[in-house]
Amino acid sequence: DTAVSQTPKYLVTQMGNDKSIKCEQNLGHDTMYWYKQDSKKFLKIMFSYNNKELIINETVPNRFSPKSPDKAHLNLHINSLELGDSAVYFCASRGSLGQFFGPGTRLTVL
Amino acid sequence: DAKTTQPPSMDCAEGRAANLPCNHSTISGNEYVYWYRQIHSQGPQYIIHGLKNNETNEMASLIITEDRKSSTLILPHATLRDTAVYYCIVRAGNNAGNMLTFGGGTRLMVKP
Repeated sequence: DTAVSQTPKYLVTQMGNDKSIKCEQNLGHDTMYWYKQDSKKFLKIMFSYNNKELIINETVPNRFSPKSPDKAHLNLHINSLELGDSAVYFCASRGSLGQFFGPGTRLTVL
Repeated sequence: DAKTTQPPSMDCAEGRAANLPCNHSTISGNEYVYWYRQIHSQGPQYIIHGLKNNETNEMASLIITEDRKSSTLILPHATLRDTAVYYCIVRAGNNAGNMLTFGGGTRLMVKP
């Protein structure tokens, strides 16, 4: 079974649209994250979230918002998409042995 | 977080040991060294972490110098599947899941 899964794997959309990326983990972890990997392959943390606390990287625009319906899910909502939002987005969850990452969602904004 | 410096790329022959260096000269006493790797088109994968003692698991060994200013990740018998970008990260706290900052990493190419 996949530990951390994301959907969709690919997302192509127009500028100005609102989109969501879903993330689910079956590891029973309490904390989940969203990362953005840009064209230079640098991974940047966007959010850290558990049942009690949301930590936001200050550089993340407020068009991005994480939503967690339950402990196993942390979805990423993006409003008014811009060209610069094109990237690969990784979800991760935290365990004692480290962070487990999902396969990534490649977002392309046209 | 202490900054890390890694060579941008390395080659290794299949079956040989791959030794990936990392400099973290500004590391502080409570900071651990973590290693992750990212195989093409996949999410990053945790490999190993340590504070000051050498560590070994089923994937790799981590050698940390006595002054803790540098470390080396060793893949004892590299395979083609080990071709990936390897990230060395320094982070406070013995919690491998804290928020991580990934730098450029080392692109390891394992060749037949």
